[in-house]
Amino acid sequence: DGGITQSPKYLFRKEGQNVTLSCEQNLNHDAMYWYRQDPGQGLRLIYYSQIVNDFQKGDIAEGYSVSREKKESFPLTVTSAQKNPTAFYLCASSIGRPSTDTQYFGPGTRLTVL
Amino acid sequence: AQSVTQPDIHITVSEGASLELRCNYSYGATPYLFWYVQSPGQGLQLLLKYFSGDTLVQGIKGFEAEFKRSQSSFNLRKPSVHWSDAAEYFCAVPPAYSGAGSYQLTFGKGTKLSVIP
Repeated sequence: DGGITQSPKYLFRKEGQNVTLSCEQNLNHDAMYWYRQDPGQGLRLIYYSQIVNDFQKGDIAEGYSVSREKKESFPLTVTSAQKNPTAFYLCASSIGRPSTDTQYFGPGTRLTVL
Repeated sequence: AQSVTQPDIHITVSEGASLELRCNYSYGATPYLFWYVQSPGQGLQLLLKYFSGDTLVQGIKGFEAEFKRSQSSFNLRKPSVHWSDAAEYFCAVPPAYSGAGSYQLTFGKGTKLSVIP
């Protein structure tokens, strides 16, 4: 079955550590996204990538980094510069432009800072 | 800037009752509009979307939504709610489509639906 996988499902981080969240898709989609979800705030875009080796910052990119070396993979690194990283992180993909194309979401990773 | 508002943070309905979730948008032209649903601890799933044409859109799981330009609304409806519909619902709209830079959807803050058996 085609879809998006995210790992791990739960992640705990000590202050000052960098952690990397995995996102893989086998839908052959060009575009991939990372969102952060906090209670009562909806989804906020962290980074977006429309093609391999290219990505753009979203509304809340500070303290995060991404790479897009393969079409199927779009890992997100939460760095120690992110002051409040505890949140639910969602990865998504679409065929192309988000303005018109349906975004398909992974099951999410819940990150907790200890 | 384009935006979308969901006025209701939390709605509770009885199983079998009808449901309407509100979504209002701020947009200069005819927008593209989406409704997504999120079960607890899960990702989002598309329920339906409106691009143009018929203003009444049918979606999955028995949901429908009606686009009303005069009211800048795209409300989600279901005639008879099932306990499994308990979830959080998000309305979304893309920014003004100017070609370059239109790379994200703007999501509303969500409406949490509780269903009483």
